[in-house]
Amino acid sequence: LAKTTQPISMDSYEGQEVNITCSHNNIATNDYITWYQQFPSQGPRFIIQGYKTKVTNEVASLFIPADRKSSTLSLPRVSLSDTAVYYCLVGDLGGGSGYSTLTFGKGTMLLVSP
Amino acid sequence: NAGVTQTPKFQVLKTGQSMTLQCAQDMNHEYMSWYRQDPGMGLRLIHYSVGAGITDQGEVPNGYNVSRSTTEDFPLRLLSAAPSQTSVYFCASSYPGLAGGIENEQFFGPGTRLTVL
Repeated sequence: LAKTTQPISMDSYEGQEVNITCSHNNIATNDYITWYQQFPSQGPRFIIQGYKTKVTNEVASLFIPADRKSSTLSLPRVSLSDTAVYYCLVGDLGGGSGYSTLTFGKGTMLLVSP
Repeated sequence: NAGVTQTPKFQVLKTGQSMTLQCAQDMNHEYMSWYRQDPGMGLRLIHYSVGAGITDQGEVPNGYNVSRSTTEDFPLRLLSAAPSQTSVYFCASSYPGLAGGIENEQFFGPGTRLTVL
């Protein structure tokens, strides 16, 4: 499984764009990049997933360079409610048994202030 | 759909007691899993199941048992609770392969906060 490295914490203000970068130097050909969000006292929630280039949904954008050794989660115009932990996961979602054994690391704690 | 439900929400046990954490999903997902989350540790996989009757160990399986007799339910058993098992436990389910263009999106329950004295 590809090891990921992301900042432990980030601070931002309401209305700003936040970019969280995840490094995954040993990403494999079959690996996808998936981001989850976790609010306090809740289970993680899927945000976005990509394989290469750029993916955008109603919540965020995911930028993946051509070498795929890193990825950047972009949250446009954050609000106080975006304060959460964000996890970057990289792996072959099929796995040997057909099950994803992706590892949730410690994630990035994003604190949005007024 | 209720999604993934977990009971109880909170539980306090004494060392040596046993209990079962319940998890159910109504999305007909084949895959289900149990994680524990300790402060500053992220989530660690305990056990998982790829279908009824099939289970396997994750990263931290010691002290826990699971079984999967139906697609909907995936209980986690603590045979003899220890203080080291104090944690928040999350159950998750997912559909294998692509669903709506997303690979294996996991849906998590609200968690069970367990304290072992």
